[in-house]
Parts: sequence; C-alpha cells; structure tokens
Amino acid sequence: AQSVTQLGSHVSVSEGALVLLRCNYSSSVPPYLFWYVQYPNQGLQLLLKYTTGATLVKGINGFEAEFKKSETSFHLTKPSAHMSDAAEYFCAVSLFGNEKLTFGTGTRLTIIP
Amino acid sequence: DAGVTQSPTHLIKTRGQQVTLRCSPKSGHDTVSWYQQALGQGPQFIFQYYEEEERQRGNFPDRFSGHQFPNYSSELNVNALLLGDSALYLCASILVQGGGVYNEQFFGPGTRLTVL
Repeated sequence: AQSVTQLGSHVSVSEGALVLLRCNYSSSVPPYLFWYVQYPNQGLQLLLKYTTGATLVKGINGFEAEFKKSETSFHLTKPSAHMSDAAEYFCAVSLFGNEKLTFGTGTRLTIIP
Repeated sequence: DAGVTQSPTHLIKTRGQQVTLRCSPKSGHDTVSWYQQALGQGPQFIFQYYEEEERQRGNFPDRFSGHQFPNYSSELNVNALLLGDSALYLCASILVQGGGVYNEQFFGPGTRLTVL
C-alpha cells in the first residue's frame, strides 16, 4: 500500500521568500509522484510530476521538486513566493500514472505581504 | 476544448436520502475516477470506471456506486446518506493507453454535497 505524509498543515512565508513544502511517501514499488494545487472553491490542478528519469522536476508557476529515493521524499520548492501562490497544496502518489492517486492531507500556504 | 465538468455545483440533502452526481470527462478521455474530499482533508479515491466497468475501488461502502455511459460520462450514486458524507466530490478523467504510457489526470471543479 502507498501513503503520503505532508509535514505542516499550514505554512506561512513572506512574499519573495523561499517556499518549501514537505512530502514523504511510502511505496512498495517505484512510485509516480505528484504535486497538485487547489485554489478556493476549485478543483485540483497539476503542478508537476515525477514518473521516471531526471529526479529534479520543474513544474508550472516556477515550482520544482526533487525525488530523493534514499529519503523517500518529494519536497516542493519555489525560490520566491508570490501572493498568487496562496492556496492548498497536495502531494500524491500512484503505482502507475493511470491508477488511483493517494493524497496527503494537504498544506495550506499563506503568503505574508 | 472543455475540461472536466461536474453537476450540480452544490447540493443539500438530508440524512437517509439518495443523491446522484454527474461528470463529463475531458474530450478524448475514456476513464473516470471519483474522489471524496472531506473538509480539511486530502481527496480519497472512491472508484474508477473504464469501458463502463468499475476497474478499481477504494475503501468505501456499497452505499457508494457508480456508472459509466457509452459516451464516457459517469455518475456517482450515494444511498442512505450520512452526515459524514458531506464533502466535495471530485471527478477526474484520463485517457488510458497501454504500454505503461503516462497521461495526466484532469480534475473537475467538484460538487459540494451537504448532508443535514
């Protein structure tokens, strides 16, 4: 069975500061890993994904994440936070890209002006 | 190109009633998954439909059932509603291809169900 742990249900950063959202996963086989963003009253939008190959993955809106197998981590980062980044972020894992997604409990990101 | 659409956007029911939620997948997609997102939680997988058959199922009781139509649209039915069924119900669609090809799942905006 797969699982995802997101450390920190709420994270606040100042505008222009580094954003770091943490995700650790558990999977019996090499996983597919995802970060999704959810704005209020909206569905989920894919930020980035790791399937195979390069472990540093770049996504939309300046976000990136690094797959570290030895640490079973897939942390999300952005060098400089923008007010528009305020949202809920979910890390997810699946055995294969087309299979069910197992989500973490989410991290609410607040940007301080 | 329309994305994934869901109806209705909001719904209020009382305990014991039955509800049907609807999802139209993104054009060209043949597989639909349903997720339940309780307040303050991550989405939980309910089930996935492919070729009008339930392909995978999460840990949800039989009160939750679904259907997929020949045009790939899908319905989620919940019987004997409980207060705990109050949640945002998300539909996701994908084109499933063989050979381990990965395709992105696209999510709809969800249906907010409130059970009183």
